[in-house]
Amino acid sequence: DQQVKQNSPSLSVQEGRISILNCDYTNSMFDYFLWYKKYPAEGPTFLISISSIKDKNEDGRFTVFLNKSAKHLSLHIVPSQPGDSAVYFCASEYGNKLVFGAGTILRVKS
Amino acid sequence: DTGVSQDPRHKITKRGQNVTFRCDPISEHNRLYWYRQTLGQGPEFLTYFQNEAQLEKSRLLSDRFSAERPKGSFSTLEIQRTEQGDSAMYLCASSLSTLGGYTFGSGTRLTVV
Repeated sequence: DQQVKQNSPSLSVQEGRISILNCDYTNSMFDYFLWYKKYPAEGPTFLISISSIKDKNEDGRFTVFLNKSAKHLSLHIVPSQPGDSAVYFCASEYGNKLVFGAGTILRVKS
Repeated sequence: DTGVSQDPRHKITKRGQNVTFRCDPISEHNRLYWYRQTLGQGPEFLTYFQNEAQLEKSRLLSDRFSAERPKGSFSTLEIQRTEQGDSAMYLCASSLSTLGGYTFGSGTRLTVV
């Protein structure tokens, strides 16, 4: 039972353009969301988070949008850079654990 | 402090053998977590410690798995009688509180042959 879903296994974007990664969740009790980035052979690293009391949070090139009624969030990366190529995981913190989606592989072409 | 350390980075073992992994969290973090990640999936929660107390265990953690954090510092995860289905990346994370703040280690990749 996947409570956090990332339906796009991969995304390819040209350098300088916007990358939009999407995430849906099913549990209405989820109220804190995080995005992690993972390079091969490394652990996930924290990118940005958002609480359900907000609908947008911005940090440099990264912006996360939350639509509670649709149970949907998205991560925007502008402008995309080749170094952004990685696997991106959406997660919700629920109790004492993180519930992750399956990830989206982002490839930024130069 | 160099972050969360995991040892070994890679482990190849024969089916039926026991394996033990170690995690050294960030020293001031009182919370420690183990996750498992298989190919094409996100990390899945296994267990959580606050100081030395194991407060939550996933049903994924069968009776062949045991985790300890004896002095509230490093932790070990042992898998007994390994099976091919145990092949995965085992990730450790630590945090000081909830609402994010998790730092993950680089993981131990287990291959059971």
